[in-house]
Amino acid sequence: EIVLSQSPGTLSLSPGERATLSCRASESISNNYLGWYQQKPGQAPRLLIYGATNRATGIPDRFSGSGSETDFTLTITRLEPEDYAVYYCQQYGSSPITFGQGTRLDIK
Amino acid sequence: QVQLQESGPGLVNPSETLSLTCSVSGYFITRAFYWGWMRQTPGGGLEWIGTISHSGSTYYNPSLKSRLTISMNTSKNQFSLKLTSVTAADTAVYYCTRGRYGGDGESWGRGTLVTVSS
Repeated sequence: EIVLSQSPGTLSLSPGERATLSCRASESISNNYLGWYQQKPGQAPRLLIYGATNRATGIPDRFSGSGSETDFTLTITRLEPEDYAVYYCQQYGSSPITFGQGTRLDIK
Repeated sequence: QVQLQESGPGLVNPSETLSLTCSVSGYFITRAFYWGWMRQTPGGGLEWIGTISHSGSTYYNPSLKSRLTISMNTSKNQFSLKLTSVTAADTAVYYCTRGRYGGDGESWGRGTLVTVSS
């Protein structure tokens, strides 16, 4: 099973700042099948990035994904008030599909 | 635009079977994509449960495989989850999903809370 470790656990930033979230895998992820999700309280997760670097439909271009093999990054440039949420990474390249434990993005 | 809606009992007795249905509108489940189930525990952790392809092939989380069945009802455009011998550890919000690559979640239902308790 591939274990995903996200850091930091909590990130406190002000609106307009840049956020950098990390996801590290215990082994290489096949086909870079790595996704990022945003979850707000009481809502289902929403897909932001798939295939490590591809923005999902309707996702603003201030969200970007990078990385390969075992090290991946989600970057949010110019934080907006609606971006404060919990972010999860997920690998779907091998079974069982697994998630990271999440990074909480708080308003500073 | 596809919409997914979970339905089923919110309370299940320990050792009994948890049954949920996902009703899909806006897309025929036999046309394409993978249709799956995820859950989120009260502590917040997300877990992939399993997936069924548009052609009916199933893929299960090995940790749940012995208790799990995912099936399709094509006439109703629904797919279902059955998890047997539940315990308190199965208490979670259950989501149904649509994915392009298997267990990814391009679209999600709103989720339904299932509590296992007597």
